[in-house]
Parts: sequence; C-alpha cells; structure tokens
Amino acid sequence: EAQVTQNPRYLITVTGKKLTVTCSQNMNHEYMSWYRQDPGLGLRQIYYSMNVEVTDKGDVPEGYKVSRKEKRNFPLILESPSPNQTSLYFCASSVDRGSYNEQFFGPGTRLTVL
Amino acid sequence: AQSVTQLDSHVSVSEGTPVLLRCNYSSSYSPSLFWYVQHPNKGLQLLLKYTSAATLVKGINGFEAEFKKSETSFHLTKPSAHMSDAAEYFCVVTSSFGNEKLTFGTGTRLTIIP
Repeated sequence: EAQVTQNPRYLITVTGKKLTVTCSQNMNHEYMSWYRQDPGLGLRQIYYSMNVEVTDKGDVPEGYKVSRKEKRNFPLILESPSPNQTSLYFCASSVDRGSYNEQFFGPGTRLTVL
Repeated sequence: AQSVTQLDSHVSVSEGTPVLLRCNYSSSYSPSLFWYVQHPNKGLQLLLKYTSAATLVKGINGFEAEFKKSETSFHLTKPSAHMSDAAEYFCVVTSSFGNEKLTFGTGTRLTIIP
C-alpha cells in the first residue's frame, strides 16, 4: 500500500530534550516536506527536500533541522524543543517538486513540549 | 504573491442537504487550486484539484468545485451531505506552473447533523 508513515504519532517531552520525528514514504517520491498545523493558522511549511541531500527552508524553519540521506526518509529534528513548538506535525511527499502535484500526507505527529 | 481565504471556519448542515464551503484566493499568476479533507486523527487527503483545464472539477465522494476567475473563488459543493463527510476541509493555492509554494487556508470544519 502506498503510504507515508510517521513515528511517533504522539509525543510529550520537556523543554530542551532533543527529539526526532521520523517520516518514510514507499512511493519513490522525490519531493518531501514537513508542515506544522496550528489552530486558526492552517498548515505552514517548515522544511522541504527536492531530492537526496537537497533541503531548503520553508516558512517557519526556526528551531528545526532536517536531513535527506535516503530518498524514502525525511526526519525532522528538534535540537532543543520549546513550548511554542507544541503542534501537530505532518510529513508529505509528492512525485516531484511541481507544486501542482498531489501531496500525500502522513497521519500526523502530535507533539507537546512542557 | 498568493493567499487564500476560507470564509467560514465552521459549517453545519443536516444530513441529506447540500454542502457549500467557500474559498476565495488571490494570486499574481495563473493558479492551481486544491481542496484537501482531514478526517479526525488522519492526514490530509486530496479531494480535487484545478490546474487550468475545465473550470468545473469533480472530485471523490461526490464533491465538486467551480473555478471562477472573475470572482477569484473556488467553492466546494456537494448535493447531499453524508455523516461521513464530517471533517475539516482545506483550500490550497499555488502556481499552475508548479514553481511556487503551497498556501493553505485556515480550514473549515464541517459538522453533519443527523
């Protein structure tokens, strides 16, 4: 089954404790991205990757890191989480960088930073 | 530059009655427009998309949307609501050339009254 998976689905952590949210897709997609969803703000892009070893900042990259060492994986790293990073996070992939392509979304990771 | 406005944050309809979710957009180039649906605790799923072909676009589950350039609108409709339509809906705009980011609306929560 074609899908985007994220782990963990739920995470409660404390300020400053490094964490990684994993994202994997099995559709051989070139383009992957991370979004955060906050009430009343819709989805905002954090980082995106057009292919292996190619990443770039989205609209709200501060406090986040990403890497793309393999085509299928695109982990999101929070080196020192803060309470304002409490949010619902989605990973998405599409066949290539064209923004008119359908985005395939993971199920989401709900992060709470205390 | 581009932006999207979803005119209602919450819409309630009775089962079997028509659904109308409103979306206005602003774009300085030829737009591509999407509607995504998010069911509780799920990722976003593409309902339909407009990419400069037919202005009336049919999607999954009986939904359709009409691109009206003169009104800069892309409203989502369904003739008869079903309980399973209860979800959050996002209108999204980008460039039809695929070289711009995706801009998400803030979402409309659809409630179906039995």
